[in-house]
Amino acid sequence: DADVTQTPRNRITKTGKRIMLECSQTKGHDRMYWYRQDPGLGLRLIYYSFDVKDINKGEISDGYSVSRQAQAKFSLSLESAIPNQTALYFCATSETAQNTGELFFGEGSRLTVL
Amino acid sequence: AQSVTQPDIHITVSEGASLELRCNYSYGATPYLFWYVQSPGQGLQLLLKYFSGDTLVQGIKGFEAEFKRSQSSFNLRKPSVHWSDAAEYFCAVGPGSYIPTFGRGTSLIVHP
Repeated sequence: DADVTQTPRNRITKTGKRIMLECSQTKGHDRMYWYRQDPGLGLRLIYYSFDVKDINKGEISDGYSVSRQAQAKFSLSLESAIPNQTALYFCATSETAQNTGELFFGEGSRLTVL
Repeated sequence: AQSVTQPDIHITVSEGASLELRCNYSYGATPYLFWYVQSPGQGLQLLLKYFSGDTLVQGIKGFEAEFKRSQSSFNLRKPSVHWSDAAEYFCAVGPGSYIPTFGRGTSLIVHP
């Protein structure tokens, strides 16, 4: 089983719908991240969390919200999806103790908003 | 603020040829540097990393990278490319407790 699991892997939805992408990890890491990948733009940080009570905005947080339900779970929500949120979304984790910035990624969730 | 530049959006090589993917970074202190690979339909996997010490680092799948402080570069190399190396490659700088910053990626195309 993957250490960082994202669900769903693929989702097609319509404009205005609420969508939740879920991420769970078994690595025991305290830090979790949500990134968005668009062709030619690389990975852009949406939100990150350094522990259960900590939530921080990244560079492109508008239109998104997150919830850190437990150390192992970090979900991303789109309250009212729009077509330009069509992208590949990645969850990642890292460990504070090592303090190196090395990230461990899930396999991605491909979201299409029609 | 830290930044990473990957000047090549696409690179095309023939199978068996050598490869070099370029990465330049901007950061005020000694950086932690990474190369990740994303195969089609997969997440990102760490290829190699540099924290300190020997400036030539070895990674998985036969890749290596060299840290050159004077040029603010961390280029990725492989002496002989295999068709399975076709993927997207990302350079990242992640100094300590700060959030890693990624380059825009380089897409590697391998011709038979």
